[in-house]
Amino acid sequence: EAAVTQSPRNKVAVTGGKVTLSCNQTNNHNNMYWYRQDTGHGLRLIHYSYGAGSTEKGDIPDGYKASRPSQENFSLILELATPSQTSVYFCASGARDTGNTLYFGEGSRLIVV
Amino acid sequence: GDKVKQSPSALSLQEGTNSALRCNFSIAATTVQWFLQNPRGSLINLFYLVPGTKENGRLKSAFDSKESYSTLHIRDAQLEDSGTYFCAAEVYAGAKLTFGGGTRLTVRP
Repeated sequence: EAAVTQSPRNKVAVTGGKVTLSCNQTNNHNNMYWYRQDTGHGLRLIHYSYGAGSTEKGDIPDGYKASRPSQENFSLILELATPSQTSVYFCASGARDTGNTLYFGEGSRLIVV
Repeated sequence: GDKVKQSPSALSLQEGTNSALRCNFSIAATTVQWFLQNPRGSLINLFYLVPGTKENGRLKSAFDSKESYSTLHIRDAQLEDSGTYFCAAEVYAGAKLTFGGGTRLTVRP
């Protein structure tokens, strides 16, 4: 089964600070995704990637950047964190040859004060 | 409006009973996935579906792309089935998934 590891698992950041959430997957999946989960909104897609060097905007990309330096790693970057970005962030990976079944990490809880 | 709408939003079941969750799509979904988010917050993939049905133990799921809906049937509900169930749809294979708002299931002893 796919292993998707997120770090940090918990983070408190100050408004205006920079936050980087990291995701590593060990099963050589092509696709990787960043979602945020908020009460009342379910899971919303921020950025995704089809492979190393590729990043695509999801449904709510404003205020976020993404980086995919390798097949295994996909980072979500908040250059200027705001309290509205307080949320739980999930990374996921999927491989097209298995029908893009998604495997999720355990989540990263971010609080921006 | 919601592209992927789940119903009901919440459900309480007696242990040992059966129920069905539904997902309606206003997008041209070609594949559907169902996930369970357990009380610890972990998201577990239950099914990946092209049009048709799949079964795994006490769970059975169906996806009808022409009528734009999917269902998840839970048979003989157990306490460990409690959590939030999400469906998610792709418009084409390998595309981004759009999630529904979830159904929170509580199984009572």
